[in-house]
Amino acid sequence: QQPVQSPQAVILREGEDAVINCSSSKALYSVHWYRQKHGEAPVFLMILLKGGEQKGHEKISASFNEKKQQSSLYLTASQLSYSGTYFCGTALISSGSARQLTFGSGTQLTVLP
Amino acid sequence: NAGVTQTPKFQVLKTGQSMTLQCAQDMNHNSMYWYRQDPGMGLRLIYYSASEGTTDKGEVPNGYNVSRLNKREFSLRLESAAPSQTSVYFCASSETYRDYGYTFGSGTRLTVV
Repeated sequence: QQPVQSPQAVILREGEDAVINCSSSKALYSVHWYRQKHGEAPVFLMILLKGGEQKGHEKISASFNEKKQQSSLYLTASQLSYSGTYFCGTALISSGSARQLTFGSGTQLTVLP
Repeated sequence: NAGVTQTPKFQVLKTGQSMTLQCAQDMNHNSMYWYRQDPGMGLRLIYYSASEGTTDKGEVPNGYNVSRLNKREFSLRLESAAPSQTSVYFCASSETYRDYGYTFGSGTRLTVV
């Protein structure tokens, strides 16, 4: 049931773009994206709901393809501060009111000067 | 500051010892969660509580118990610690019936020797 994230790791130069993917074999109610810096707690970036949508947050945006049960996180013109591990978390349609999330194994993003 | 508070931040236990990890939130959230994070495995759900008075098992509940003491507090107990429970434990909370992200505590780094 764990969503599959790809790639596992990516290294960028400042200003370059990156895409992180998250896919599930189950019908999803929502997809969350979080960023975690080393030794810190995950921080919420955005949520996408079933129905297929795209959201943006600064230079970070995401999409959700309901037909494929896939979400992608887009980081454009990356900055040093974008470095960290990115996790997608998925809530199933069947999860009820708690909307408990199952997280992918993460994508480690490193932005170099 | 509003948020999720976890105690302790660090703990070393001997095999067979017991301990309780404390978690409290002051955002009036209904739902609370306990996750463990191991290298390369993302976050795995141990237990969750959709609302005060209810608790449910997550993906990896064996060896743990929880108590939802009131709306603010959700504790995790290890009755007889094992080296396999060495991990970083995160508590999180969220709104119920609203599509908001999780707020995570700063984590408890537990080592069982």
